[in-house]
Amino acid sequence: GQNIDQPTEMTATEGAIVQINCTYQTSGFNGLFWYQQHAGEAPTFLSYNVLDGLEEKGRFSSFLSRSKGYSYLLLKELQMKDSASYLCAVQDSNYQLIWGAGTKLIIKP
Amino acid sequence: NAGVTQTPKFRVLKTGQSMTLLCAQDMNHEYMYWYRQDPGMGLRLIHYSVGEGTTAKGEVPDGYNVSRLKKQNFLLGLESAAPSQTSVYFCASTQGRWDTGELFFGEGSRLTVL
Repeated sequence: GQNIDQPTEMTATEGAIVQINCTYQTSGFNGLFWYQQHAGEAPTFLSYNVLDGLEEKGRFSSFLSRSKGYSYLLLKELQMKDSASYLCAVQDSNYQLIWGAGTKLIIKP
Repeated sequence: NAGVTQTPKFRVLKTGQSMTLLCAQDMNHEYMYWYRQDPGMGLRLIHYSVGEGTTAKGEVPDGYNVSRLKKQNFLLGLESAAPSQTSVYFCASTQGRWDTGELFFGEGSRLTVL
């Protein structure tokens, strides 16, 4: 079966750095996405990786290793507004998106 | 620019009642999707459409029907609601295939079935 694993919850301190991991087992691979979802709101797109390596976008970076079935989302200089759930999703060989359950990130002052 | 709009935002139904959720997008997107989101689970695809007049089943289609009569609208129907359909429903759209990189989501519709 297809599976996306990410931690259920993480806690970090304002101003610090946090890394949210995602491991996947899917039927084929056509890309990996990270979305941010604040409580009670819709998911919003953060990043897309299809090749191995690091993609940087401001305070957020996303890394992909296809051989290891692994990705992480790195958030720097954490702000209180970064408190949200972070969803990892993988596109399989049929271009269907398989979603992880999300990681709830709690930021403490 | 409204993006993706869902109506209603909240609804309470009794078991056996029917209802329709409406999704409208103003971005001229070809692809539209209906997902449900439940605690502790990832988003699950119910049905999707790759263009006006087309629909296809997703991962969890049972108990739901959809229609895409106009390009900008994608309707999700529940013919006979069940408590297991209590969930938050999200509509999303994108211009092309999944590999365009970004799904645009509506704000969600919270449905409770008693």
